[in-house]
Amino acid sequence: DGGITQSPKYLFRKEGQNVTLSCEQNLNHDAMYWYRQDPGQGLRLIYYSQIVNDFQKGDIAEGYSVSREKKESFPLTVTSAQKNPTAFYLCASSDGGRKQFFGPGTRLTVL
Amino acid sequence: QQQVKQSPQSLIVQKGGISIINCAYENTAFDYFPWYQQFPGKGPALLIAIRPDVSEKKEGRFTISFNKSAKQFSLHIMDSQPGDSATYFCAASFTGGGNKLTFGTGTQLKVEL
Repeated sequence: DGGITQSPKYLFRKEGQNVTLSCEQNLNHDAMYWYRQDPGQGLRLIYYSQIVNDFQKGDIAEGYSVSREKKESFPLTVTSAQKNPTAFYLCASSDGGRKQFFGPGTRLTVL
Repeated sequence: QQQVKQSPQSLIVQKGGISIINCAYENTAFDYFPWYQQFPGKGPALLIAIRPDVSEKKEGRFTISFNKSAKQFSLHIMDSQPGDSATYFCAASFTGGGNKLTFGTGTQLKVEL
């Protein structure tokens, strides 16, 4: 069953902690993306990767970091430098064409 | 700088009616315009997309109308059903640059019986 999985579905973080969100895809897609969704603001691009071992900053990369060591995995770390991390985080992938397919999301809440 | 403006923010339509959501863009380099549908707590799903070389694209009850000169595009949902109640996002991307999508702010659609 092909698709994109994100884990965990819900994540709670204390202030000052780093947390890592998982994104895995078995679609054999080269490109992967991380978006942040806040109420009334649509989706904003955090980081993207077009190929293994390479990634670029999106519009709101400050306070976040990523890695792309494997084609199927693109984890996102929310660092303590991110001042307002509470949001819904969405991972997407693409085969290099224009269509992006999204995972089910992770809702991060800072306590 | 918001490059894709979406309206209305929310919309209520009677069952069987037509839902219309509008988007306007600024960057003339955009050459791909998808619409996504999102249900609460779920990831967005690609609904329909258009390129600027055509003025209209229809898939079932969903139609995109595109006006290149006005830099506007819209989603029409014919015979709207309660199951269509969701948030709809327009987006745009341009060739190269990682095919990054720029999203509108979303429209919450509610279809009433």
